[in-house]
Amino acid sequence: SYVLIQPPSVSVAPGKTARITCGGYNLGSKSVHWYQQKPGQAPVLVIYDDSDRPSGIPERFSASKSGSTATLTISRVEAGGEADYYCQVWDSSSDHYVFGTGTTVTVL
Amino acid sequence: QITLKESGPTLVKPTQTLTLTCTISGFSLRTSGEGVGWIRQPPGKALEWLALIYWDDDKRYSPSLKSRLTITKDMSKNQVVLTMANVDPVDTATYFCAHKRFGVYYVDVWGKGTTVTVSS
Repeated sequence: SYVLIQPPSVSVAPGKTARITCGGYNLGSKSVHWYQQKPGQAPVLVIYDDSDRPSGIPERFSASKSGSTATLTISRVEAGGEADYYCQVWDSSSDHYVFGTGTTVTVL
Repeated sequence: QITLKESGPTLVKPTQTLTLTCTISGFSLRTSGEGVGWIRQPPGKALEWLALIYWDDDKRYSPSLKSRLTITKDMSKNQVVLTMANVDPVDTATYFCAHKRFGVYYVDVWGKGTTVTVSS
């Protein structure tokens, strides 16, 4: 089955930039989507189709993809901005939606 | 405004069948292109996609859980129902339903989730 690998954790100081990677086989041929999940809450879509932001999502959230790795970038991280982030793709070979292993962003 | 709300039992015994209901508003499964998916999250773990149903009754299931899952819709009640047979303690999780449109490969609005514990 298709697997998306993310680093378990990323630490960042307030005001700095956090970068979260998501790796998977042949990821370049798939559209990658990103969700933010704050503690005790449901996930929220922050990026779709590799790099598009839904309405209402701050410009501080951006994303890119190169080869088999997608990257979510959060600029000017806010104090208290701890959350988990998940990447997600649709795997055409299995017709299945796959989430990444998840990354916890800790604000120092 | 699209909203979804999950409901169901908080405690289920092993081997029983779990039935979860997602009540939708702000869109209709009578409308072409609309769909609802179910995703779960065990405590402290990652999200896992379970099942999906579209307006035309097209259904998709997680390959690993397909034999245990059934997804249906009741358009008169604006509800989507997910049943999971033969539950086990590893099925303990928060279960979310979410809005999805045909032709896109992400969900854009999530319910708050409902927590289910499987224990004797």
